[in-house]
Formats: sequence, structure tokens, C-alpha cells
Amino acid sequence: QVHLVQSGAEVKKPGASVKVSCTASGYDVTRYYLHWVRQAPGHGLEWMAIINLNEGMSSYAQKFQDRVTLTRDTSTSTVFMELTSLRSEDTAVYYCARGGKYSNYWGQGTLVTVSS
Amino acid sequence: DIQLTQSPSFLSASVGDRVTITCRASQGISSYLAWYQEELGKAPKLLIYGASTLQSGVPSRFSGSGSGTEFTLTINNLQAEDFAIYYCQQVNNYPYTFGQGTKLEIK
Repeated sequence: QVHLVQSGAEVKKPGASVKVSCTASGYDVTRYYLHWVRQAPGHGLEWMAIINLNEGMSSYAQKFQDRVTLTRDTSTSTVFMELTSLRSEDTAVYYCARGGKYSNYWGQGTLVTVSS
Repeated sequence: DIQLTQSPSFLSASVGDRVTITCRASQGISSYLAWYQEELGKAPKLLIYGASTLQSGVPSRFSGSGSGTEFTLTINNLQAEDFAIYYCQQVNNYPYTFGQGTKLEIK
């Protein structure tokens, strides 16, 4: 069965960077995209970015264009989401989710807390 | 970016009721719309894709309709487990934006 397992919670200081991983199993990862979506406390869902695991091409929401980078390691079926120049507003649960367009499998979420 | 506006933002209903949530897009998105259910502390769950196709395993009391700029999610015969937050998402253009959410509460 399909599983997406994310790395554990992180606490970072403002200005630092965080790298969250998402390891997929149970399917051919090169046939699907992976989305990244976040949810800040008390807020709704926010789509951040997507990566094509076959080609490695990514697309980012303009809001995050300068601060987020998606990379992949196909040998371990892992995608990494790095967010730089963290600020308090980046405190959120970050999810990876399997695509095409629609996400029917999600990781368990990774809480990133940005606090001085 | 395409903006999605859900209405209402809050909805109070009783078990057995029928409820409808609307999602309006700032520009046409054909049928490239999904509905998700979010429960506290859990990852979102895909309910409907392609505006009206029920995801496998989702109860048939959930249905979706619409195309272009106006879409609806209908839940018939509300069950206790349906009280959650619902989001629409457009996947016509990057960025794949979400609506602001509709919180369905027990009356």
C-alpha cells in the first residue's frame, strides 16, 4: 500500500532554514508528482509547490518562489522541501501529498516551529 | 493566481440534515476542482475530484457538481463523523490554490 512518511518535528530560529523529507513507498514514485501543502495554526490549507519525481522539475507558488526548494533522491524515493529565511509566520504543519493533480495520499505532516 | 471563495465559512447543522457548500473561482477552471475534508490533527482527505467524481471509499452521501467558476459540495443525511472542515482546491493552474475552508459544526 501507498505510504508517505515525513521527517520529524523541527524547531528553528528566525532566519534559519529547515529541510523536511518525505519518503514514498508502495508505488512507482516516478509516475507521480509530490505536492507540498502547509497549514499554519488556525489557518487554512496553503499549496506551496510540486515536483515531478521523474524529471525533477518543480513549480512553486510565487509567495514561496525565493525561499523554497524541492529536491529528490530517486534511489530512496525521497523528496526534500527546504524553506529558508524562516519567520514566525512559517510556523505550520507541512504536508507532502501524492499527485497528479489530485492528492489522495498524504504524509502524516511535519510541524515546523519558528521561534526565538 | 486563481482565488477560490467558499460560502459559507461556518455552517451549523444537525445529524440527518442536508448541507451545501459553494466554491466560486475568480476565473474559469473547467472541472479541475477537488473537495477535501479535514479533521482536527489529521491530514486532509480527498472526497471529490474532477468537480463531481467521488473518490473511492467515500460515502455516496457526498456529491459534487459544477464547472467553470461555480461549484458545490452537497452532503446528504449528515452523520456525526461529517462534522469537520471542508476545502475546495483548483488544479487548473499553478499555484493550486485552496478555498478558505468551511467549518461544519453540530447544531
